[in-house]
Amino acid sequence: DTEVTQTPKHLVMGMTNKKSLKCEQHMGHRAMYWYKQKAKKPPELMFVYSYEKLSINESVPSRFSPECPNSSLLNLHLHALQPEDSALYLCASSQRVNTEAFFGQGTRLTVV
Amino acid sequence: DAKTTQPPSMDCAEGRAANLPCNHSTISGNEYVYWYRQIHSQGPQYIIHGLKNNETNEMASLIITEDRKSSTLILPHATLRDTAVYYCIVRGYSGGGADGLTFGKGTHLIIQP
Repeated sequence: DTEVTQTPKHLVMGMTNKKSLKCEQHMGHRAMYWYKQKAKKPPELMFVYSYEKLSINESVPSRFSPECPNSSLLNLHLHALQPEDSALYLCASSQRVNTEAFFGQGTRLTVV
Repeated sequence: DAKTTQPPSMDCAEGRAANLPCNHSTISGNEYVYWYRQIHSQGPQYIIHGLKNNETNEMASLIITEDRKSSTLILPHATLRDTAVYYCIVRGYSGGGADGLTFGKGTHLIIQP
């Protein structure tokens, strides 16, 4: 099983809503990542978790709040987003440093 | 991590070999070269990686020059489904914990029928 599963696939939310994106992997990987991708741009790293601890936060605004409840799950909690936060949000996982990362298919988020 | 330079776009005829170049002249000794691709509206897909030796798997071959300042990804028999943006990424060893991939602009490879 080399799959990273992201839910939901599509999400439309208002600027006052609170929502969560979910990511799950069962490959025993101990590193998990959130990326944001705007249209026609490359993915940009947001957060890195290593052994369930946040190891990298790329100066992401506090309206994005990551959570890693266990080694298989990664959440991204969203609150008070802006329309410019509309993007494809990608989750990835890897076994450890310098090993290949596997990506999910992403959640297409639209903030209205 | 070292920066990479790739052509913004390339065309290749279906059935021919697609050769995608990447320059990484500032690569350091412990940095690996990774290749990923992203088909429209999907998540990036890992293709191959290497340190200094040439590598081959079921998807592609990776040729790294002896000075490691450039590399070429080879798709031996391109199909229409290989149309995608291909990213060359140089990734360093952070000494512990995990780090993330830094994507450049990549090469948009278009396979022509």
